[in-house]
Amino acid sequence: AQKVTQAQTEISVVEKEDVTLDCVYETRDTTYYLFWYKQPPSGELVFLIRRNSFDEQNEISGRYSWNFQKSTSSFNFTITASQVVDSAVYFCALSEANDSDYGANSKLTFGKGITLSVRP
Amino acid sequence: DTAVSQTPKYLVTQMGNDKSIKCEQNLGHDTMYWYKQDSKKFLKIMFSYNNKELIINETVPNRFSPKSPDKAHLNLHINSLELGDSAVYFCASSHKGLAGTYNEQFFGPGTRLTVL
Repeated sequence: AQKVTQAQTEISVVEKEDVTLDCVYETRDTTYYLFWYKQPPSGELVFLIRRNSFDEQNEISGRYSWNFQKSTSSFNFTITASQVVDSAVYFCALSEANDSDYGANSKLTFGKGITLSVRP
Repeated sequence: DTAVSQTPKYLVTQMGNDKSIKCEQNLGHDTMYWYKQDSKKFLKIMFSYNNKELIINETVPNRFSPKSPDKAHLNLHINSLELGDSAVYFCASSHKGLAGTYNEQFFGPGTRLTVL
């Protein structure tokens, strides 16, 4: 069974502060995929990043960076110089690879989400 | 063009009623999903369909019946609505993938269901 733990529930920072959102996962598979999604107050789910289990290279995209460490089963997300528009709920998610050519069993298992509030 | 669309966006109804939420995707995908987001924002998969065939059913009550008339549509019908069914329901779709891969899921905008 797969599990995603986001221990932080709510984080509040002042604009321009850096903030790290933690994510710890559990899976028995050797091939799996990790994701971060953003859910702004408008409610839609916005895809941010996907990493597969064989690619531990950290990634940076503008003010966003991700640190994937298989040794600690963590996939943490850092926002540098946070802005008010970053205020949202952030979800970490895990999907195991298809175990057949069916493909439809790639369900996403989500963490409980972290509510980030960035104050001006 | 909207890739994954859901109707309605908001649905308010009385306990005991039967209602449907529609989902359509124009991405040519053959796999579709329903996820439920409860009042605490917890997102959990409910169903997955591949080529109109049920693949995943995550112990959802029988009152929930997904219906897939074709690959582009996966509707969610809910009988005898209960207060606890109040949630946001997200539809998603993806390509069928090969073993050992992952098929990226594209989400619809969500339907907020309120049961009074």
